[in-house]
Amino acid sequence: AQSVTQPDIHITVSEGASLELRCNYSYGATPYLFWYVQSPGQGLQLLLKYFSGDTLVQGIKGFEAEFKRSQSSFNLRKPSVHWSDAAEYFCAVDSNYQLIWGAGTKLIIKP
Amino acid sequence: NAGVTQTPKFRILKIGQSMTLQCTQDMNHNYMYWYRQDPGMGLKLIYYSVGAGITDKGEVPNGYNVSRSTTEDFPLRLELAAPSQTSVYFCASRGTSENEQFFGPGTRLTVL
Repeated sequence: AQSVTQPDIHITVSEGASLELRCNYSYGATPYLFWYVQSPGQGLQLLLKYFSGDTLVQGIKGFEAEFKRSQSSFNLRKPSVHWSDAAEYFCAVDSNYQLIWGAGTKLIIKP
Repeated sequence: NAGVTQTPKFRILKIGQSMTLQCTQDMNHNYMYWYRQDPGMGLKLIYYSVGAGITDKGEVPNGYNVSRSTTEDFPLRLELAAPSQTSVYFCASRGTSENEQFFGPGTRLTVL
């Protein structure tokens, strides 16, 4: 069965430091992968998506993610985080017009 | 173009009451979805629809019903509300040629 795993429930990063959020998926075919962000008390906003082609995809707010088929991973990165990046981040894989979601990683920014 | 809109934003229900959460999209999307998000958890799919007149159960459908009489609207009905239904409910839609789901702002429901 398809699944998405985000191994880190919480991550704490100092402002200005780099960030990597992990996402592993289990899917039989070529996956369509997504990262969404949810700020406190808000809805979900798409950060970036991977369908095919270049395995390094750029998103909004300075985020990027790299698709690695050999590792079944789609990790999210940002070179320098800002306090406004504090939020919950969800990885998802498209499965027959439905999204399979990870449990989320809460990003905490230290001043 | 308002995207996906949901009403109400907040609601408190007593055990056993019923209510309908409204969801409307103006993007002419065929696919629509209802999710619930419990505190500290990811999203769980309640029901989805692939077009007007067609609905199907998701992962957690018990205690809910949906209908899809038009392309635009996808209301979620709670019958006999229970404390376990306290959650934040999100509606989403997507087009046939897109893979991205667009989300509404959510409805925060408390059942006491």
